[in-house]
Amino acid sequence: SAVISQKPSRDICQRGTSLTIQCQVDSQVTMMFWYRQQPGQSLTLIATANQGSEATYESGFVIDKFPISRPNLTFSTLTVSNMSPEDSSIYLCSVDDLNYGYTFGSGTRLTVV
Amino acid sequence: EDQVTQSPEALRLQEGESSSLNCSYTVSGLRGLFWYRQDPGKGPEFLFTLYSAGEEKEKERLKATLTKKESFLHITAPKPEDSATYLCAVQARRGSNYKLTFGKGTLLTVNP
Repeated sequence: SAVISQKPSRDICQRGTSLTIQCQVDSQVTMMFWYRQQPGQSLTLIATANQGSEATYESGFVIDKFPISRPNLTFSTLTVSNMSPEDSSIYLCSVDDLNYGYTFGSGTRLTVV
Repeated sequence: EDQVTQSPEALRLQEGESSSLNCSYTVSGLRGLFWYRQDPGKGPEFLFTLYSAGEEKEKERLKATLTKKESFLHITAPKPEDSATYLCAVQARRGSNYKLTFGKGTLLTVNP
């Protein structure tokens, strides 16, 4: 199955700043997905990132707040912009891994103070 | 809107005490139902995909089954290392992509 490296693994950020999360896959994949996992809540899809096109955002998520880059078939970034304490969460990237379902990175635990 | 409800929210078992976790769903155009295991501080780990009612899959002490409205994850003679949060998700086509919708999970604790 694919191996995903996600970093940073955790960070503590000041409100009003931005954080960029990186996701590197060890194989080429068409689509990459970004999720948010808030305490006590289910994983929620933020957006789908296809290489060479604009990311597709789910209802409730906007590009200005969560800009995504997808420069090639093995890499993507998610930026959490102008952060507030409500953005404190775990952010995960994922890829469609054929016979292994969807494979997830280990996540980025973000705390906004 | 796709909905996934998992029960119970938390389950505490003694080692060797078999039980089942439930995942009920409402989705238009189900393509697959996924089960994941998530350990603290880690991303979800893929367990099974089920595609049609009546399908069953097994892996070690785990067996997943699927009906038209729900899925069960049966845990036979669990061990403490089976302690984790178990997540259920449904996959359906939405626009040009497939989308996963997750339940909140069941936190399983197996005591020695």
